[in-house]
Amino acid sequence: QQQVKQSPQSLIVQKGGISIINCAYENTAFDYFPWYQQFPGKGPALLIAIRPDVSEKKEGRFTISFNKSAKQFSLHIMDSQPGDSATYFCAASRGRGSTLGRLYFGRGTQLTVWP
Amino acid sequence: DTEVTQTPKHLVMGMTNKKSLKCEQHMGHRAMYWYKQKAKKPPELMFVYSYEKLSINESVPSRFSPECPNSSLLNLHLHALQPEDSALYLCASRRKRGGVDTQYFGPGTRLTVL
Repeated sequence: QQQVKQSPQSLIVQKGGISIINCAYENTAFDYFPWYQQFPGKGPALLIAIRPDVSEKKEGRFTISFNKSAKQFSLHIMDSQPGDSATYFCAASRGRGSTLGRLYFGRGTQLTVWP
Repeated sequence: DTEVTQTPKHLVMGMTNKKSLKCEQHMGHRAMYWYKQKAKKPPELMFVYSYEKLSINESVPSRFSPECPNSSLLNLHLHALQPEDSALYLCASRRKRGGVDTQYFGPGTRLTVL
């Protein structure tokens, strides 16, 4: 059973446009929602993360929007650049309630930004 | 410093070989993880070590044998692998601060089983 559902599977955006990736979860025990960026042949790198006590977090061109009642969160990449072309994974974990910090990943979104 | 290192970067092995993957972190993190990742898929959890003790084994076949000799080092011993075990093997360590968990991934070992 997929604990975190992610869409779209692939996304093509023009340079300068906005990329939006959506995720949804069911387990209300999740209290930490990170996004990872992965380039081909590399390990995932933490991009940005949010706790459910805030509705939005912004770091540079990357913003997470969080809707606790809908159990959804999304990543917005403003002014998308060709260097943003990568696979993005959303994830969820039970930070406070877990001694192991297990991450549940979405299936990933392959983003391509055309110059 | 949030670096997790993994060696080797690439490994090709036959089905009868025995090899080991190594992971190291010097951030003082006390939880470490092995993941397997196939192309275009998310990382799939294999093992979790917490304070050098194996805490989670996700029903991984016995041909994969993890070892945590100390708090900075994690090994994955491989024996009699199958071609379908070819994948990117990722190590991660976890920082827990203020109730926030963050996992930091290494660059991975690209394993090819012939």
